[in-house]
Amino acid sequence: KQEVTQIPAALSVPEGENLVLNCSFTDSAIYNLQWFRQDPGKGLTSLLLIQSSQREQTSGRLNASLDKSSGRSTLYIAASQPGDSATYLCAVSGGANNLFFGTGTRLTVIP
Amino acid sequence: DTAVSQTPKYLVTQMGNDKSIKCEQNLGHDTMYWYKQDSKKFLKIMFSYNNKELIINETVPNRFSPKSPDKAHLNLHINSLELGDSAVYFCASSPKRGTYNEQFFGPGTRLTVL
Repeated sequence: KQEVTQIPAALSVPEGENLVLNCSFTDSAIYNLQWFRQDPGKGLTSLLLIQSSQREQTSGRLNASLDKSSGRSTLYIAASQPGDSATYLCAVSGGANNLFFGTGTRLTVIP
Repeated sequence: DTAVSQTPKYLVTQMGNDKSIKCEQNLGHDTMYWYKQDSKKFLKIMFSYNNKELIINETVPNRFSPKSPDKAHLNLHINSLELGDSAVYFCASSPKRGTYNEQFFGPGTRLTVL
């Protein structure tokens, strides 16, 4: 069964720093991988989706990479801002398109 | 306009009651989902419907019964509520099955069972 792990569980950085969030999954037979952010008490906002045939996707200051064979993805955030503070969730999609979620990384960007 | 909406946002009820949560999407998507986020913030799939047809039913107690009257709506009915049902329930939708199948989530319904 698919298991998704995110490291670190929590991260604090000063504003302006570049940072990397890590995601690993045990079964490489995935359709795609999706990164979300969740603000406290709110729903999930989709950030990036990488299809299984792709290596990376970019949106503004965010860049996500996918290495399917090694079961890893990273989310790179450039020039972090206090507004980036949230929990970041990685999820992989299996054959039935249901998402398997990691436990998230809680990011705090200190002004 | 809200893409995926859920009602109610908060639901507080007593053990043993029956309650429903409604979900609607105006994105024209074919597939809808229910996820549960427990107290440790872990998200897990419960059900998935494609064009009103059930395609995923994870190991969820049969007290939980999803109903899809049309492909824009997926409701969740819960019978005989238990303390352990307290969680945040998220509805999501996606265009269709396949590799490019980005899921969009609703704001969540926080269920508290007393």
